[in-house]
Amino acid sequence: EVQLVESGGGLVQPGGSLRLSCAASGFTFSSYEMNWVRQAPGKGLEWVSYISSSGSTIYYADSVKGRFTISRDNAKNSLYLQMNSLRAEDTAVYYCARRGIVGDFDYWGQGTLVTVSS
Amino acid sequence: SYVLTQPPSVSVAPGQTARITCGGNNIGSKSVHWYQQKPGQAPVLVVYDDSDRPSGIPERFSGSNSGNTATLTISRVEAGDEADYYCQVWDSSSDHPGVVFGGGTKLTVL
Repeated sequence: EVQLVESGGGLVQPGGSLRLSCAASGFTFSSYEMNWVRQAPGKGLEWVSYISSSGSTIYYADSVKGRFTISRDNAKNSLYLQMNSLRAEDTAVYYCARRGIVGDFDYWGQGTLVTVSS
Repeated sequence: SYVLTQPPSVSVAPGQTARITCGGNNIGSKSVHWYQQKPGQAPVLVVYDDSDRPSGIPERFSGSNSGNTATLTISRVEAGDEADYYCQVWDSSSDHPGVVFGGGTKLTVL
């Protein structure tokens, strides 16, 4: 059974940093491209970042470029999101999602809540 | 950047057919995916690549895509279908590839 389990969320002050993790199981993690998607309270889905299966190709949404860094450790079956210079508008539930063959997100984690507030 | 436009809300009576649209410039040339999200839960893929269904998704869910509009159709709507629905594409047309989501449509079952 495919499972994605996020962790690392919490309350952080504006300007602070946080590192999210996503533990993958039930599939060959190193063969799949992965993404982070977030959802602000009461709002829609917003794509955050993409990483290829090897980690060699990375993309970011303009809203996080230069502040967030996506990475992965295929030996540990884990995906990460380092978030720096956090702003109030980064407050959201952050989901990791596996990219399917045709660009869909076929599996999602349960999400981890990040709250940026003083 | 590429924009996907969805109606904020759609209402339908049980047993009827719900159609949720997703508009985008020449979206018919892209592969469109649809997600269902119920309150407090993660999104679930219900249609991928315009019209294919993942295993476990009822045949009542179907999709189409042509021209500037993609459509998610839910036949014989049930109370349990009440949720937010999002369309999504991969935008590789610019020098800044990325994923685009529609704003979401709240389906209300009357």
